[in-house]
Amino acid sequence: QVQLQESGPGLVKPSQTLSLTCTVSGGSISSGGYYWSWIRQHPGKGLEWIGYIYYSGSTYYNPSLESRLTISVDTSKNQFSLRLSSVTAADTAVYYCARVYEYNWNSLAFYYFDYWGQGTLVTVSS
Amino acid sequence: DIQMTQSPSSLSASVGDRVTITCRASETIRSRLNWYQHKPGKAPKLLIYAASSLQSGVPSRFSGSGSGTDFTLTISSLQPEDFATYYCQQTYSTPLTFGGGTKVEIK
Repeated sequence: QVQLQESGPGLVKPSQTLSLTCTVSGGSISSGGYYWSWIRQHPGKGLEWIGYIYYSGSTYYNPSLESRLTISVDTSKNQFSLRLSSVTAADTAVYYCARVYEYNWNSLAFYYFDYWGQGTLVTVSS
Repeated sequence: DIQMTQSPSSLSASVGDRVTITCRASETIRSRLNWYQHKPGKAPKLLIYAASSLQSGVPSRFSGSGSGTDFTLTISSLQPEDFATYYCQQTYSTPLTFGGGTKVEIK
């Protein structure tokens, strides 16, 4: 059974960099056919896709965050990470990591998020 | 960006009720639509992928339908463990986007 666990500081000061790590167990992050994603949920709001990474290092970011965002992967530790710079109170949210399964059907690519972490609350405050 | 609009935003229902949640995309997404169930403090759970395919291990009372811009999640007979918030998600184009959620509460 694949499990994902987010870790990192729960409190970050404004203008600093938010850093989170997702540790994957029960499966290899280097397995083909999967992307590894970050999603967040602002307090009382819906879900927002942040971006994802393939084990090779290819990344896809939400344009709304791209200028401040870095997602990286460490296959030796079976982890992937999120760095979001210049944070403000608007970045306060529960951050989730998830595995994204890609498959092809009728020449079309389909994706779904099949395993998620429990989420970690990050508060941006001085 | 493709906007996903869910309705209703919340509903009250009783155990045994049939519940239908609607999701509308701002442009066609073919059948690249997933549904998730989310309970407070828990990881979101995939229910339906590709609009109508039931994820392994998910009870058959959950079903999805639709294509193009209009989609539906149906719970045929609501169970106590189904009280949660449900989200649709399009994976047709990046940025991937979610609907605003539908909170299913106990009547």
